[in-house]
Amino acid sequence: DVKVTQSSRYLVKRTGEKVFLECVQDMDHENMFWYRQDPGLGLRLIYFSYDVKMKEKGDIPEGYSVSREKKERFSLILESASTNQTSMYLCASSPVGNYGYTFGSGTRLTVV
Amino acid sequence: QQQVKQSPQSLIVQKGGISIINCAYENTAFDYFPWYQQFPGKGPALLIAIRPDVSEKKEGRFTISFNKSAKQFSLHIMDSQPGDSATYFCAATVSGGGADGLTFGKGTHLIIQP
Repeated sequence: DVKVTQSSRYLVKRTGEKVFLECVQDMDHENMFWYRQDPGLGLRLIYFSYDVKMKEKGDIPEGYSVSREKKERFSLILESASTNQTSMYLCASSPVGNYGYTFGSGTRLTVV
Repeated sequence: QQQVKQSPQSLIVQKGGISIINCAYENTAFDYFPWYQQFPGKGPALLIAIRPDVSEKKEGRFTISFNKSAKQFSLHIMDSQPGDSATYFCAATVSGGGADGLTFGKGTHLIIQP
Protein backbone atom coordinates (compact mmCIF):
# COMPACT_ATOMS: atom_id res chain seq x y z
CA ASP A 1 0.00 0.00 0.00
CA VAL A 2 1.63 3.21 -1.18
CA LYS A 3 1.79 5.96 1.33
CA VAL A 4 3.20 9.15 2.72
CA THR A 5 4.54 8.79 6.25
CA GLN A 6 4.97 11.66 8.66
CA SER A 7 7.31 10.79 11.49
CA SER A 8 5.24 12.16 14.35
CA ARG A 9 1.49 12.40 14.91
CA TYR A 10 1.81 14.79 17.85
CA LEU A 11 4.61 17.10 18.91
CA VAL A 12 4.90 19.60 21.73
CA LYS A 13 7.78 22.06 21.51
CA ARG A 14 8.84 25.15 23.39
CA THR A 15 9.02 28.63 21.94
CA GLY A 16 12.38 29.23 20.31
CA GLU A 17 13.18 25.57 19.71
CA LYS A 18 14.30 24.34 16.31
CA VAL A 19 11.74 21.84 15.05
CA PHE A 20 12.07 19.23 12.32
CA LEU A 21 9.05 17.63 10.72
CA GLU A 22 9.90 14.64 8.56
CA CYS A 23 8.01 13.22 5.62
CA VAL A 24 8.82 10.11 3.60
CA GLN A 25 7.00 8.78 0.52
CA ASP A 26 7.46 5.37 -1.07
CA MET A 27 5.88 6.09 -4.45
CA ASP A 28 8.92 7.54 -6.25
CA HIS A 29 7.02 10.83 -6.68
CA GLU A 30 8.90 13.85 -7.97
CA ASN A 31 6.75 16.47 -6.26
CA MET A 32 6.41 16.94 -2.52
CA PHE A 33 4.53 19.58 -0.55
CA TRP A 34 4.08 20.92 2.96
CA TYR A 35 0.76 22.44 3.97
CA ARG A 36 -0.54 23.70 7.27
CA GLN A 37 -4.18 23.26 8.19
CA ASP A 38 -5.95 25.61 10.56
CA PRO A 39 -9.67 25.78 11.42
CA GLY A 40 -11.47 28.18 9.14
CA LEU A 41 -8.38 28.74 6.98
CA GLY A 42 -8.23 25.45 5.13
CA LEU A 43 -4.96 24.16 3.70
CA ARG A 44 -2.22 26.65 3.01
CA LEU A 45 0.92 25.82 1.05
CA ILE A 46 4.18 26.46 2.90
CA TYR A 47 6.82 25.05 0.55
CA PHE A 48 7.02 22.57 -2.27
CA SER A 49 9.75 20.71 -4.13
CA TYR A 50 9.72 19.27 -7.62
CA ASP A 51 13.11 17.60 -7.48
CA VAL A 52 15.91 16.66 -5.13
CA LYS A 53 17.60 19.73 -3.68
CA MET A 54 14.97 21.98 -5.32
CA LYS A 55 12.51 24.02 -3.31
CA GLU A 56 9.97 26.73 -3.96
CA LYS A 57 8.11 29.01 -1.59
CA GLY A 58 4.40 28.59 -1.26
CA ASP A 59 1.90 31.07 0.09
CA ILE A 60 3.11 31.25 3.70
CA PRO A 61 6.86 30.43 3.85
CA GLU A 62 7.79 32.92 6.56
CA GLY A 63 9.32 31.23 9.58
CA TYR A 64 9.86 27.95 7.76
CA SER A 65 12.53 26.30 5.66
CA VAL A 66 12.72 22.91 3.95
CA SER A 67 15.24 20.31 2.93
CA ARG A 68 15.11 17.65 0.26
CA GLU A 69 18.35 15.71 0.11
CA LYS A 70 16.75 12.52 -1.17
CA LYS A 71 13.82 12.03 -3.51
CA GLU A 72 11.70 10.23 -0.96
CA ARG A 73 12.24 12.59 1.97
CA PHE A 74 11.06 16.16 2.46
CA SER A 75 11.68 17.90 5.76
CA LEU A 76 10.03 21.01 7.14
CA ILE A 77 12.10 23.07 9.55
CA LEU A 78 10.91 25.67 12.02
CA GLU A 79 14.10 27.58 12.80
CA SER A 80 12.71 29.15 15.97
CA ALA A 81 9.27 27.88 16.85
CA SER A 82 6.63 30.40 17.85
CA THR A 83 3.16 29.94 19.29
CA ASN A 84 1.54 31.09 16.04
CA GLN A 85 3.04 28.03 14.38
CA THR A 86 0.84 25.76 16.44
CA SER A 87 -1.06 23.90 13.76
CA MET A 88 -1.66 20.66 11.88
CA TYR A 89 1.06 20.09 9.28
CA LEU A 90 0.34 17.93 6.26
CA CYS A 91 2.84 16.52 3.82
CA ALA A 92 1.79 15.42 0.33
CA SER A 93 3.40 13.99 -2.78
CA SER A 94 2.46 13.60 -6.43
CA PRO A 95 4.05 12.44 -9.67
CA VAL A 96 4.87 15.02 -12.32
CA GLY A 97 1.75 16.34 -14.05
CA ASN A 98 -0.61 14.51 -11.70
CA TYR A 99 -2.52 16.44 -9.11
CA GLY A 100 -4.02 13.51 -7.30
CA TYR A 101 -1.96 14.24 -4.25
CA THR A 102 -1.35 11.59 -1.61
CA PHE A 103 -1.34 13.11 1.86
CA GLY A 104 0.19 11.87 5.06
CA SER A 105 -1.88 11.67 8.22
CA GLY A 106 -0.49 14.91 9.55
CA THR A 107 1.57 16.13 12.50
CA ARG A 108 -0.22 18.17 15.10
CA LEU A 109 2.36 20.58 16.47
CA THR A 110 1.79 22.56 19.65
CA VAL A 111 4.27 25.29 20.53
CA VAL A 112 4.11 26.38 24.16
CA GLN B 1 -5.96 36.90 -1.87
CA GLN B 2 -8.35 33.99 -1.62
CA GLN B 3 -8.45 32.33 -5.01
CA VAL B 4 -10.96 29.59 -4.24
CA LYS B 5 -14.04 30.43 -2.17
CA GLN B 6 -15.92 27.52 -0.64
CA SER B 7 -19.33 27.48 0.98
CA PRO B 8 -20.90 26.63 3.30
CA GLN B 9 -18.41 26.28 6.15
CA SER B 10 -20.59 23.64 7.76
CA LEU B 11 -23.55 21.61 6.59
CA ILE B 12 -25.97 19.24 8.27
CA VAL B 13 -27.97 16.88 6.06
CA GLN B 14 -30.37 14.11 6.92
CA LYS B 15 -29.50 10.56 5.91
CA GLY B 16 -30.68 9.93 2.37
CA GLY B 17 -30.64 13.60 1.44
CA ILE B 18 -28.48 15.48 -1.06
CA SER B 19 -25.41 17.33 0.20
CA ILE B 20 -24.26 20.25 -1.93
CA ILE B 21 -21.00 22.14 -1.50
CA ASN B 22 -20.09 25.05 -3.72
CA CYS B 23 -16.82 26.60 -4.83
CA ALA B 24 -15.96 29.66 -6.90
CA TYR B 25 -12.62 30.60 -8.35
CA GLU B 26 -11.06 33.72 -9.79
CA ASN B 27 -8.10 32.55 -11.83
CA THR B 28 -9.33 31.72 -15.34
CA ALA B 29 -6.12 29.78 -15.97
CA PHE B 30 -7.21 27.05 -13.52
CA ASP B 31 -7.93 23.88 -15.44
CA TYR B 32 -8.06 21.10 -12.87
CA PHE B 33 -10.56 21.00 -10.04
CA PRO B 34 -10.35 18.18 -7.49
CA TRP B 35 -12.33 17.52 -4.35
CA TYR B 36 -10.71 16.02 -1.28
CA GLN B 37 -12.38 14.24 1.64
CA GLN B 38 -10.83 14.28 5.08
CA PHE B 39 -11.86 12.16 8.06
CA PRO B 40 -10.78 13.09 11.60
CA GLY B 41 -7.17 12.12 12.28
CA LYS B 42 -6.45 11.47 8.61
CA GLY B 43 -4.97 13.44 5.77
CA PRO B 44 -7.19 14.54 2.89
CA ALA B 45 -7.81 11.95 0.18
CA LEU B 46 -8.72 12.60 -3.43
CA LEU B 47 -12.42 11.98 -3.95
CA ILE B 48 -13.19 13.11 -7.49
CA ALA B 49 -11.83 15.64 -9.98
CA ILE B 50 -12.92 17.44 -13.13
CA ARG B 51 -11.40 19.38 -16.00
CA PRO B 52 -13.30 22.26 -17.64
CA ASP B 53 -13.89 20.47 -20.93
CA VAL B 54 -16.87 18.70 -19.33
CA SER B 55 -19.75 20.13 -17.32
CA GLU B 56 -20.34 17.15 -15.07
CA LYS B 57 -18.52 14.12 -13.74
CA LYS B 58 -20.12 11.37 -11.72
CA GLU B 59 -18.53 8.64 -9.64
CA GLY B 60 -21.03 6.59 -7.70
CA ARG B 61 -22.99 8.90 -5.38
CA PHE B 62 -20.56 11.79 -5.93
CA THR B 63 -21.01 14.27 -8.77
CA ILE B 64 -19.07 17.40 -9.69
CA SER B 65 -20.97 20.07 -11.64
CA PHE B 66 -18.85 22.65 -13.43
CA ASN B 67 -19.91 26.04 -14.79
CA LYS B 68 -17.00 27.58 -16.66
CA SER B 69 -18.71 30.88 -17.50
CA ALA B 70 -19.64 31.47 -13.88
CA LYS B 71 -16.28 30.15 -12.63
CA GLN B 72 -18.06 27.86 -10.21
CA PHE B 73 -18.07 24.19 -9.43
CA SER B 74 -19.93 22.12 -6.89
CA LEU B 75 -19.94 18.72 -5.25
CA HIS B 76 -23.20 16.83 -4.93
CA ILE B 77 -23.47 13.80 -2.67
CA MET B 78 -26.60 11.83 -3.44
CA ASP B 79 -28.27 9.58 -0.86
CA SER B 80 -25.95 10.96 1.82
CA GLN B 81 -24.87 8.46 4.46
CA PRO B 82 -23.47 8.89 7.99
CA GLY B 83 -20.16 7.53 6.67
CA ASP B 84 -19.95 10.58 4.41
CA SER B 85 -19.55 12.80 7.47
CA ALA B 86 -16.18 14.45 6.93
CA THR B 87 -14.53 17.69 5.92
CA TYR B 88 -14.55 18.37 2.19
CA PHE B 89 -12.11 20.62 0.37
CA CYS B 90 -12.37 21.87 -3.16
CA ALA B 91 -9.17 22.84 -4.93
CA ALA B 92 -7.87 24.19 -8.19
CA THR B 93 -4.65 24.45 -10.11
CA VAL B 94 -3.11 25.17 -13.47
CA SER B 95 -2.01 21.77 -14.72
CA GLY B 96 1.17 21.49 -16.69
CA GLY B 97 2.46 24.68 -15.20
CA GLY B 98 4.89 23.01 -12.86
CA ALA B 99 4.48 21.75 -9.35
CA ASP B 100 2.93 24.90 -8.01
CA GLY B 101 0.60 23.10 -5.70
CA LEU B 102 -3.14 23.06 -5.37
CA THR B 103 -5.02 26.09 -4.08
CA PHE B 104 -7.60 24.86 -1.60
CA GLY B 105 -10.89 26.25 -0.40
CA LYS B 106 -11.32 26.62 3.35
CA GLY B 107 -13.30 23.42 3.73
CA THR B 108 -16.83 22.33 4.56
CA HIS B 109 -17.57 20.28 7.66
CA LEU B 110 -20.37 17.92 6.63
CA ILE B 111 -22.48 16.04 9.15
CA ILE B 112 -24.99 13.44 8.00
CA GLN B 113 -27.60 12.82 10.66
CA PRO B 114 -28.98 9.28 10.92
